[in-house]
Amino acid sequence: NAGVTQTPKFQVLKTGQSMTLQCAQDMNHEYMSWYRQDPGMGLRLIHYSVGAGITDQGEVPNGYNVSRSTTEDFPLRLLSAAPSQTSVYFCASRRASGGEETQYFGPGTRLLVL
Amino acid sequence: AQSVTQLGSHVSVSEGALVLLRCNYSSSVPPYLFWYVQYPNQGLQLLLKYTTGATLVKGINGFEAEFKKSETSFHLTKPSAHMSDAAEYFCAVTSGRTGANNLFFGTGTRLTVIP
Repeated sequence: NAGVTQTPKFQVLKTGQSMTLQCAQDMNHEYMSWYRQDPGMGLRLIHYSVGAGITDQGEVPNGYNVSRSTTEDFPLRLLSAAPSQTSVYFCASRRASGGEETQYFGPGTRLLVL
Repeated sequence: AQSVTQLGSHVSVSEGALVLLRCNYSSSVPPYLFWYVQYPNQGLQLLLKYTTGATLVKGINGFEAEFKKSETSFHLTKPSAHMSDAAEYFCAVTSGRTGANNLFFGTGTRLTVIP
């Protein structure tokens, strides 16, 4: 199993540009989520999904869109990048059966918005 | 709503000394609690978790944590620090009972091990 994979590993954008951060998992996990990590702030939940076709907002959803057309993929879209979105982004997945399930994280995407 | 507070954003210990990383939680329902470790330029890896049952939980790499309901704490300990333990450590909580069971993280503690 590859686990949770993320592409790209690093990206530089100019203010106003759009891009999609890719996330895929091969563990047949129903639940997937996106976090951003900023110094001194830990990880904050952006969006999550409990299954294909179902998404919802987390703590910091503004400026980001998601969709879940398949169990495996959960892309995160930045429609118009802003310097405040400079961060490290992590995708995670787990089984949806309950909160006791371990969440598995991808290696992260480092995004710099100029 | 759930939240965690990690006391001390940076902790330094000497190699061979006790490691103690503090985590206090807030939850209106019985919590599930997790400790994750992040090595430089990597994703997060589960160290250990408390769900139900025994309150002293053992994890990987010699770490353990004790769930203390009366103190709303879940501190992480290791008897003897190794150089390889240098990393950032995150405590996290979820309600584990209803809804999506989203995981909420503390702000992290960076552990430095001094030779």
